[in-house]
Amino acid sequence: EPEVTQTPSHQVTQMGQEVILRCVPISNHLYFYWYRQILGQKVEFLVSFYNNEISEKSEIFDDQFSVERPDGSNFTLKIRSTKLEDSAMYFCASSSTGVLEAFFGQGTRLTVV
Amino acid sequence: SQQGEEDPQALSIQEGENATMNCSYKTSINNLQWYRQNSGRGLVHLILIRSNEREKHSGRLRVTLDTSKKSSSLLITASRAADTASYFCATDADQGGKLIFGQGTELSVKP
Repeated sequence: EPEVTQTPSHQVTQMGQEVILRCVPISNHLYFYWYRQILGQKVEFLVSFYNNEISEKSEIFDDQFSVERPDGSNFTLKIRSTKLEDSAMYFCASSSTGVLEAFFGQGTRLTVV
Repeated sequence: SQQGEEDPQALSIQEGENATMNCSYKTSINNLQWYRQNSGRGLVHLILIRSNEREKHSGRLRVTLDTSKKSSSLLITASRAADTASYFCATDADQGGKLIFGQGTELSVKP
């Protein structure tokens, strides 16, 4: 069964460092998303991506964040200068149409120290 | 309450019993989805119900949607210990698929 895969599963980084979280969405999907979940809190929308551009972003997704689909298969989230409060589980998701179910990856746990 | 709020926040039942979780939301929606999350793991899609549907079944899951009350319920029948997880409802209101999640219900099924 097709699935969304994310790497790495866990990343520890120093405050101020750049991190890149990687995702391989399901191959025939056209809509891509990043969400995050701070420990013990709800899942929050960060950004949606369609047709090689951002279609919507939340207020969390500030200038420190960027997304890219560099090669037609990977979908990456970059955080330029990490802060302690960026520590969270980051989930990538993809959907075929944008109005049907989204399939989520297993997440990357980011710990900023 | 905020968009996609579940209640109860925590539910503890015995194996074999039914578990009912509720979700309320504020704005009009295209569809409502339920997800499951085992501790520290990813989100697994359980079921989607469209705004023009009132009830949907999938195995031991039954979802209802009442758009007049802006609420949904997820019923898990004949629960098993393996059903222990957090359950989230998520709504989408636009064509881009952005989901708004609730706080979740933490279900514990005791063997």
